[in-house]
Amino acid sequence: DADVTQTPRNRITKTGKRIMLECSQTKGHDRMYWYRQDPGLGLRLIYYSFDVKDINKGEISDGYSVSRQAQAKFSLSLESAIPNQTALYFCATKDRGGDEQFFGPGTRLTVL
Amino acid sequence: GIQVEQSPPDLILQEGANSTLRCNFSDSVNNLQWFHQNPWGQLINLFYIPSGTKQNGRLSATTVATERYSLLYISSSQTTDSGVYFCAVSLTGTASKLTFGTGTRLQVTL
Repeated sequence: DADVTQTPRNRITKTGKRIMLECSQTKGHDRMYWYRQDPGLGLRLIYYSFDVKDINKGEISDGYSVSRQAQAKFSLSLESAIPNQTALYFCATKDRGGDEQFFGPGTRLTVL
Repeated sequence: GIQVEQSPPDLILQEGANSTLRCNFSDSVNNLQWFHQNPWGQLINLFYIPSGTKQNGRLSATTVATERYSLLYISSSQTTDSGVYFCAVSLTGTASKLTFGTGTRLQVTL
């Protein structure tokens, strides 16, 4: 089984709809991150969390919110989706004492 | 913020050829990772290499931290090496937030 899972893997929605992307991990890591990738570009950080009570904005947090329901779960919400939020979204985890971030398989979101 | 530049942006190789991908960064880093994004979009960890040299099979990487660059070497390339290669870095005291380059798109042909 995958260590970092994301649901859904693909989603098409309409402008103005609320949508939630979910991330779960079995790696036991305390740090979790949400990134987005636009075509032809690298990933950019949306939000990150050190633990359930510690959530921080990243580079491009406007239009997004997050919830850390448990150490293993970190959700990203788009309160009112807009077309320029069409992108590939990745969740990542890292252990506090570790070196690397590990990424989930991604969620491809299309906002019409 | 820190700038990360990768070159070349695109690379086409015949199977069996060797290649070198470069990553330049604008500040001292405490984390540097190389990733391969396969054609299905999945990000695969290749190396954690803030300094020094590492090898894993046909791939190797070298980071010269004092000169702010890293190189990824691919030898005897295979079609399965196709995809986009990303370099990502983070600065000390920045909660390990990764800043990604724009990638090198590699296509390996028969």
